[in-house]
Amino acid sequence: KQEVTQIPAALSVPEGENLVLNCSFTDSAIYNLQWFRQDPGKGLTSLLLIQSSQREQTSGRLNASLDKSSGRSTLYIAASQPGDSATYLCAVKPMNYGGSQGNLIFGKGTKLSVKP
Amino acid sequence: EAQVTQNPRYLITVTGKKLTVTCSQNMNHEYMSWYRQDPGLGLRQIYYSMNVEVTDKGDVPEGYKVSRKEKRNFPLILESPSPNQTSLYFCASSLGGRWGLYGYTFGSGTRLTVV
Repeated sequence: KQEVTQIPAALSVPEGENLVLNCSFTDSAIYNLQWFRQDPGKGLTSLLLIQSSQREQTSGRLNASLDKSSGRSTLYIAASQPGDSATYLCAVKPMNYGGSQGNLIFGKGTKLSVKP
Repeated sequence: EAQVTQNPRYLITVTGKKLTVTCSQNMNHEYMSWYRQDPGLGLRQIYYSMNVEVTDKGDVPEGYKVSRKEKRNFPLILESPSPNQTSLYFCASSLGGRWGLYGYTFGSGTRLTVV
């Protein structure tokens, strides 16, 4: 059964620091991996989508990498800002998940706080 | 603007009173899904739909119903809500669900409280 783990559960950094969020998954048979941002009481905003054949994706100050063979992904945030404070979730789309087609398996998230 | 719209955003109801949470997408996506988010448990899939009139159970379907009569709409129905269904609910859609390639777009969420 696919499991997704995000470490650390919470992270606090000073403004301007570069940081890395980690995501690991137990089964490398995935179609893709997606990083989301969730603000308190709000919905999930998609940040980056990495297909299984890709190694990384970039959007602005964000860079996500994928090492499918080792079951790891990282989200790199450059020059962090207070506005980056949110919970970051990673989710994988497994190739094999019983009868539930298209299910995303989520990690529990990393709560990021960027201090001014 | 391409989006998934859920209504209502907040709902407080009493045990046993039937309710419907609506979900609509304007991206002509085939695949739609409902998730619930609970502290310590993360997001779990309730039901999904591969296309019109095609729905199936996710990981936690008990106590819920869905329908997909039109491509754009995928309502979540709680026939007899109970307090353990108090949660934050999300609707999501994707251009194609079975295979990879496509990411998911989520709605803003519905905070449901059953007393």
